Amino acid sequence: DAGVIQSPRHEVTEMGQEVTLRCKPISGHNSLFWYRQTMMRGLELLIYFNNNVPIDDSGMPEDRFSAKMPNASFSTLKIQPSEPRDSAVYFCASSWQGAGGELFFGEGSRLTVL
Amino acid sequence: DQQVKQNSPSLSVQEGRISILNCDYTNSMFDYFLWYKKYPAEGPTFLISISSIKDKNEDGRFTVFLNKSAKHLSLHIVPSQPGDSAVYFCAASALSSGSRLTFGEGTQLTVNP
Repeated sequence: DAGVIQSPRHEVTEMGQEVTLRCKPISGHNSLFWYRQTMMRGLELLIYFNNNVPIDDSGMPEDRFSAKMPNASFSTLKIQPSEPRDSAVYFCASSWQGAGGELFFGEGSRLTVL
Repeated sequence: DQQVKQNSPSLSVQEGRISILNCDYTNSMFDYFLWYKKYPAEGPTFLISISSIKDKNEDGRFTVFLNKSAKHLSLHIVPSQPGDSAVYFCAASALSSGSRLTFGEGTQLTVNP
């Protein structure tokens, strides 16, 4: 049974370039979350979707960040233009909302913006 | 506003001893609490949880204690093993927010052989 799949695992880009991170949630899960891991704040929630609809994007740092979920099996997180301070590990997670809050995480996408 | 705080960024213990990881929260609406474990280059994985109607939940070597009046929870690992070395994240959610979890900063546990 495949878990949450994220790509790419590593991305190195130059400041100003567009970055697209991808996520395939676990089949049957109806909630999808994008988190960013930082040393200072741990795992920060950026945005989450329920049944493909964005519910709360208050964690998205600024307009340079956008996320979409065109269908139940795919989501993207886009940064345009990227900046060095965006360097972090970005995690996608999914859940069945009735599962009492347990999230299943992907392995993360490590982004480095030079 | 950090609603879930783990004030110890790191903890080091000897193999066989008890590890105690602490977590504080500020939002009184939180009613479900979880601990996640994270190894390097991997995503966090669920470890143990507790509902606000309980004050203790035990699973093998792992026990989570909840003190609602103090808005404090802790994870006890006994006996600690070198394989327990990882970053531990505390997380909390409110029924009203569905599965939305708020995480703490994490605590790096190192268990020395």
